[in-house]
Amino acid sequence: KAGVTQTPRYLIKTRGQQVTLSCSPISGHRSVSWYQQTPGQGLQFLFEYFSETQRNKGNFPGRFSGRQFSNSRSEMNVSTLELGDSALYLCASSLGGPGTDTQYFGPGTRLTVL
Amino acid sequence: AQSVSQHNHHVILSEAASLELGCNYSYGGTVNLFWYVQYPGQHLQLLLKYFSGDPLVKGIKGFEAEFIKSKFSFNLRKPSVQWSDTAEYFCAVNEGSGGGADGLTFGKGTHLIIQP
Repeated sequence: KAGVTQTPRYLIKTRGQQVTLSCSPISGHRSVSWYQQTPGQGLQFLFEYFSETQRNKGNFPGRFSGRQFSNSRSEMNVSTLELGDSALYLCASSLGGPGTDTQYFGPGTRLTVL
Repeated sequence: AQSVSQHNHHVILSEAASLELGCNYSYGGTVNLFWYVQYPGQHLQLLLKYFSGDPLVKGIKGFEAEFIKSKFSFNLRKPSVQWSDTAEYFCAVNEGSGGGADGLTFGKGTHLIIQP
């Protein structure tokens, strides 16, 4: 079974721009979660989608948003990019939701904001 | 809010040495506990998990962890490490109620280096 895939793998943007990252979960998984990984803050939860609905949200500003499609694929959008948004963005999928199931992670998208 | 503490940020061991990485969490309710590993250049992989039942759980590659509820701990152990165990190790926790309220809360990670 194919794992979680994320596109693109690398991205360079400038301050003020916006960016969209994509995640395809493992086949049959309906929950997709997003995390930000930085050297200073470590891994931090952004939000989780299940059946096209955002169920949970971490402590990030409204510039960070996401959505999930009927095929469970998910996108994450960051508007008005700041230098501090440079990070590895990880997507994880699970069968039924983070509270009851194991999350499997993708390789991440490395975002650099100049 | 939950928090996870990994006390050792950097650990250097020789091959065949025994390993124990500490993990403590703060949350008063039922929790699910995980250890993930990130090998150089690779993505996060699940080592082992605890949801309920036997507090001693065994994972891949000879790793095991013990959940001690009274100590809010979930320490990772391996009796004899190999050079290939060089990686970043993350302890993580989320609510065990099924609500998945906050996603996974991760510790800061432990960078383990195994010297040949």
